[in-house]
Amino acid sequence: DTEVTQTPKHLVMGMTNKKSLKCEQHMGHRAMYWYKQKAKKPPELMFVYSYEKLSINESVPSRFSPECPNSSLLNLHLHALQPEDSALYLCASSQEFGTYEQYFGPGTRLTVT
Amino acid sequence: SQKIEQNSEALNIQEGKTATLTCNYTNYSPAYLQWYRQDPGRGPVFLLLIRENEKEKRKERLKVTFDTTLKQSLFHITASQPADSATYLCALDLSLEAQGGKLIFGQGTELSVKP
Repeated sequence: DTEVTQTPKHLVMGMTNKKSLKCEQHMGHRAMYWYKQKAKKPPELMFVYSYEKLSINESVPSRFSPECPNSSLLNLHLHALQPEDSALYLCASSQEFGTYEQYFGPGTRLTVT
Repeated sequence: SQKIEQNSEALNIQEGKTATLTCNYTNYSPAYLQWYRQDPGRGPVFLLLIRENEKEKRKERLKVTFDTTLKQSLFHITASQPADSATYLCALDLSLEAQGGKLIFGQGTELSVKP
């Protein structure tokens, strides 16, 4: 199974809502990532978890809160977002953090109204 | 400043021809470089990885070269097909720099193969 799954596929939320994005992989990968991608732009790294510990936070605003409950799951908790946070949010995993290809999920299309 | 540039935003070619995409970088020292394919509204899909000590890598109709002197990678798709139409992203790792194994992506080249 070389699949990374993400739920939901689409999410519309108001600026006062709290929601969560979920990501799951069963490849035994020990590194998991959150990326943000705007239209016609490349993916931008937000967070990296390595062995379930947060390794990198790319100075992401605190209204985005990542969580890694176990080695297969990754969540992104959203609160008080702004319209400019509307984007495609991609989860990825790799065997380890470092010299390995990354497997991406299909993404969650987020719209903040 | 550090920069990754892919040769053009869009590339149109005829079916059966070879598509050549370019990725140039400045002020990076990547240990390896990766190429991904992304279809609209989908996540990127890994295609090939080439290390700094490798000159060339092949996989079926795909070939990638890596010239650390020129700071350039070329990505070729031979005998292109309309199904190859997608955005292709190059990505550099930063494992030799202070930022560990992060990937930095180029802005992508949108390839369109016409029948």
